[in-house]
Amino acid sequence: DAGVTQSPTHLIKTRGQQVTLRCSPKSGHDTVSWYQQALGQGPQFIFQYYEEEERQRGNFPDRFSGHQFPNYSSELNVNALLLGDSALYLCASSSDRVPGEAFFGQGTRLTVV
Amino acid sequence: KQEVTQIPAALSVPEGENLVLNCSFTDSAIYNLQWFRQDPGKGLTSLLLIQSSQREQTSGRLNASLDKSSGRSTLYIAASQPGDSATYLCAVEGPGGGNKLTFGTGTQLKVEL
Repeated sequence: DAGVTQSPTHLIKTRGQQVTLRCSPKSGHDTVSWYQQALGQGPQFIFQYYEEEERQRGNFPDRFSGHQFPNYSSELNVNALLLGDSALYLCASSSDRVPGEAFFGQGTRLTVV
Repeated sequence: KQEVTQIPAALSVPEGENLVLNCSFTDSAIYNLQWFRQDPGKGLTSLLLIQSSQREQTSGRLNASLDKSSGRSTLYIAASQPGDSATYLCAVEGPGGGNKLTFGTGTQLKVEL
């Protein structure tokens, strides 16, 4: 079992560009949550996908959008990048069948210049 | 809105010391509380999960307690080792469950030889 995998590991983008980050959940998990972690801060919840629908959303602008595919993998899209979007983006996979159990990927480090 | 605070923000101790990390949260209506470890630039590893009905959990040299009514949790690390050096994050899951976590800003621990 490969656990939660995220790609790419690092990414550099220019202000105003768009970016797509990818996450494959742990085998047996059907729910994917995305978090943003700025330097020196704790992760902040962006949104969660379940059954290909956005189930919960944190306090992030509409520039942040996502998608979940039938195989439960997920994408996070950020449009019109700002310098402040530079952060570590973490994906967590879970299943409602096992409450409280969430596994995190290694993250994607996004730098906006 | 749930807020999670961790004290201290940073801690440096000599090898072999016992230490306590603190976490407080403003809304006692939580589903569970977790302690995570994060190595620099990496993802999160779950250390201990305490359900709202539990008072403590233990794993090896780690012991976490939960006092839901006062909104506090502590992580006790016995006989610290240099390999324990990392950032420790506390996270709570709201009463609705669903694996939406609210994190503190973490305690950066350094264990010196």
